[in-house]
Amino acid sequence: NAGVTQTPKFQVLKTGQSMTLQCAQDMNHNSMYWYRQDPGMGLRLIYYSASEGTTDKGEVPNGYNVSRLNKREFSLRLESAAPSQTSVYFCASTLNGAANYGYTFGSGTRLTVV
Amino acid sequence: GENVEQHPSTLSVQEGDSAVIKCTYSDSASNYFPWYKQELGKGPQLIIDIRSNVGEKKDQRIAVTLNKTAKHFSLHITETQPEDSAVYFCANAGGYQKVTFGTGTKLQVIP
Repeated sequence: NAGVTQTPKFQVLKTGQSMTLQCAQDMNHNSMYWYRQDPGMGLRLIYYSASEGTTDKGEVPNGYNVSRLNKREFSLRLESAAPSQTSVYFCASTLNGAANYGYTFGSGTRLTVV
Repeated sequence: GENVEQHPSTLSVQEGDSAVIKCTYSDSASNYFPWYKQELGKGPQLIIDIRSNVGEKKDQRIAVTLNKTAKHFSLHITETQPEDSAVYFCANAGGYQKVTFGTGTKLQVIP
């Protein structure tokens, strides 16, 4: 059982470049999330998808877009990368929302924007 | 959701001793309190959780206690082992998608 799979694991971008971070889960979970983790800032929610066909902004959505491609896959796109987006990005999923279910996290994508 | 304060930020214990990490929260609507362990280079992993209708929950060497009146909850690790060394995060959830994380505690278990 793979759980939550993220690709790529590492990426270096130049300012202004675009890229898509991929995430897939095989647990038949309904809800999926994108977080970023920065030193001293903890985990901050970028976007989430409560169920297939819906997406909503989290705490720090500016500069990002998401697509819930199907029940399994939830991608995060940076249209024009900025150095402030240097971070570790985690995808997570839950069975149904986050009020009563813990997250299953992926192993992360470490992104550096130069 | 809302504010969650986590203490201490770093904690060193001798192998075999106990470790306690405490979190306080402000949202009285919070009803779910998970704890996550993050090892170096990995994503956080859910290790134990507690719901608001329960005061204590135990799973082998780890336990969580909840005091809703005082709005704090704690993680207790007994008989610590070197593999317990990691960063631990508390979190709490109120509404459907409102989850707030603490800032983390780096636990070092000294052999």
